[in-house]
Amino acid sequence: GEDVEQSLFLSVREGDSSVINCTYTDSSSTYLYWYKQEPGAGLQLLTYIFSNMDMKQDQRLTVLLNKKDKHLSLRIADTQTGDSAIYFCAERTGGYNKLIFGAGTRLAVHP
Amino acid sequence: DVKVTQSSRYLVKRTGEKVFLECVQDMDHENMFWYRQDPGLGLRLIYFSYDVKMKEKGDIPEGYSVSREKKERFSLILESASTNQTSMYLCASSLTGGQDGYTFGSGTRLTVV
Repeated sequence: GEDVEQSLFLSVREGDSSVINCTYTDSSSTYLYWYKQEPGAGLQLLTYIFSNMDMKQDQRLTVLLNKKDKHLSLRIADTQTGDSAIYFCAERTGGYNKLIFGAGTRLAVHP
Repeated sequence: DVKVTQSSRYLVKRTGEKVFLECVQDMDHENMFWYRQDPGLGLRLIYFSYDVKMKEKGDIPEGYSVSREKKERFSLILESASTNQTSMYLCASSLTGGQDGYTFGSGTRLTVV
């Protein structure tokens, strides 16, 4: 069945790059998404990538997609304390724009 | 600029009570979703609706029901609240065929005592 997997925790030093990884199972996924959730809040869309793209860059964010391996990554350059949050990977599958979410990666940024 | 509004941020209810969680969106989205979020389990889909008066079960519908009488409003109902329904509940909406994914509300943290 459909499944999205992420590591649960990542710790980085302020100013370094963060790389959050995700694997998914549905090869027919059309779009893949990254969401950010700050403490006590809902999820906020960070970026998305269409399945026929390999890479998408948006300011400090770079998304890489390896469709053959069904692997998605989010790189955050120059990570700041404000980037501390939970990051969710999601694949769009089936009808009704239904998204399947991973369990989320908690990013902790320390001085 | 709020687009998906959940009626309560925090809610405390007693075991056995009937609980209504309300969600309203102002983007004319066809699809609406209810998730619950628990530590280590991520987001689990409870119910979703792709049109007025239509509903589909998600992965964990037991103990819940929903109502969608108007396009902009999607209600989650706990018929008889239990302590294992203590959780963060997230509502989301989306356009069919749109590329923008979901827009989420801020969440309702429900505690059942």
